[in-house]
Amino acid sequence: GQNIDQPTEMTATEGAIVQINCTYQTSGFNGLFWYQQHAGEAPTFLSYNVLDGLEEKGRFSSFLSRSKGYSYLLLKELQMKDSASYLCALVDSNYQLIWGAGTKLIIKP
Amino acid sequence: GAVVSQHPSWVICKSGTSVKIECRSLDFQATTMFWYRQFPKQSLMLMATSNEGSKATYEQGVEKDKFLINHASLTLSTLTVTSAHPEDSSFYICSARDPGLETAQYFGPGTRLTVL
Repeated sequence: GQNIDQPTEMTATEGAIVQINCTYQTSGFNGLFWYQQHAGEAPTFLSYNVLDGLEEKGRFSSFLSRSKGYSYLLLKELQMKDSASYLCALVDSNYQLIWGAGTKLIIKP
Repeated sequence: GAVVSQHPSWVICKSGTSVKIECRSLDFQATTMFWYRQFPKQSLMLMATSNEGSKATYEQGVEKDKFLINHASLTLSTLTVTSAHPEDSSFYICSARDPGLETAQYFGPGTRLTVL
């Protein structure tokens, strides 16, 4: 079967750095997505990793280790607008997305 | 990035009526679209996968006779909630798979349905 785990909620301070972890178990793997979702809105695409390593995109970076079943999303120079839920989604062998429950990130001044 | 639209963005209806939600891919042809439902403070739940020109594939527990899906063209999929009840009130979100990037899904803005 497949399983995705990510923390339910995290709190960080404006201007700081936060790392949101995602661990997974799956029999088939075709990549991992990170999405951002503000309350009442649809998710927006942040990153896609299919190979091991770090992908950097501005203030956001995403890391993947396939052997460890582990990914993280790193957010730097946090801004208040970064307060949102961050969803980790696994692409299975049938190219379907398996969603994590999401991590609610709260940014404090 | 790719653009996906949804219409309407919100709808209020009486119990027992049917509601149709449209999902359009605006700048690419989507052979596959997905319909999700999200209740407050919960994660996305996949309802069905819609393939152009064929019947939709429904997830376990989703009533196909209640949630009718039609994917008649490469840019349009519709979800009709038939005989809606208050428990159907939710945030319905569609996504479309970009054929140029096999695994990427782009989401529409969502439709908030409230059934009175």
